[in-house]
Amino acid sequence: AQSVTQLDSQVPVFEEAPVELRCNYSSSVSVYLFWYVQYPNQGLQLLLKYLSGSTLVKSINGFEAEFNKSQTSFHLRKPSVHISDTAEYFCAVIQTGANNLFFGTGTRLTVIP
Amino acid sequence: EPEVTQTPSHQVTQMGQEVILRCVPISNHLYFYWYRQILGQKVEFLVSFYNNEISEKSEIFDDQFSVERPDGSNFTLKIRSTKLEDSAMYFCASSERFLNTEAFFGQGTRLTVV
Repeated sequence: AQSVTQLDSQVPVFEEAPVELRCNYSSSVSVYLFWYVQYPNQGLQLLLKYLSGSTLVKSINGFEAEFNKSQTSFHLRKPSVHISDTAEYFCAVIQTGANNLFFGTGTRLTVIP
Repeated sequence: EPEVTQTPSHQVTQMGQEVILRCVPISNHLYFYWYRQILGQKVEFLVSFYNNEISEKSEIFDDQFSVERPDGSNFTLKIRSTKLEDSAMYFCASSERFLNTEAFFGQGTRLTVV
């Protein structure tokens, strides 16, 4: 069985401040890890993913996440947030060999001007 | 930029009625999926579809649910007799390859059963 835990349902943060959105997973086999973002009234968009190789992965808009196997975590970070980062962020996993995503409950990031 | 489109954006239906949620996947994609999110809960996998048949389904996807690709462009989810607990946001997704590591999602259809 696998599960994804996002402990923070809501994270308010001031503009230009750093942010970390936490994600922990459990799985009996190896996994691929993802962060999806949902902007208001839009669909889920892939933000970044870890499949193999370097444990630190980065998106084009300044977010990064680090796969930590010992802590079974894949936390999302950004050193300085912008108003446009306000959205819902979902952590997800796929077990290797499977073909469906398991999602966390999501974290609503609100950037305060 | 290609995108997955879903219609309608919001559907209200009476309990016991049939509903069909529609999706137009990205044109060169071969794998199609439905997910749902009950308010305040996690996004859950319902079903995956490839080569005109279901390739995988979750325990949520019981006999009340069915999927179809009727005309080579649309991908539909039918709920035969809706229940109150079917109220949720339903997301369609498509991917070019297996292991939906590059799945593209639609904006969702909010289904409200009254």
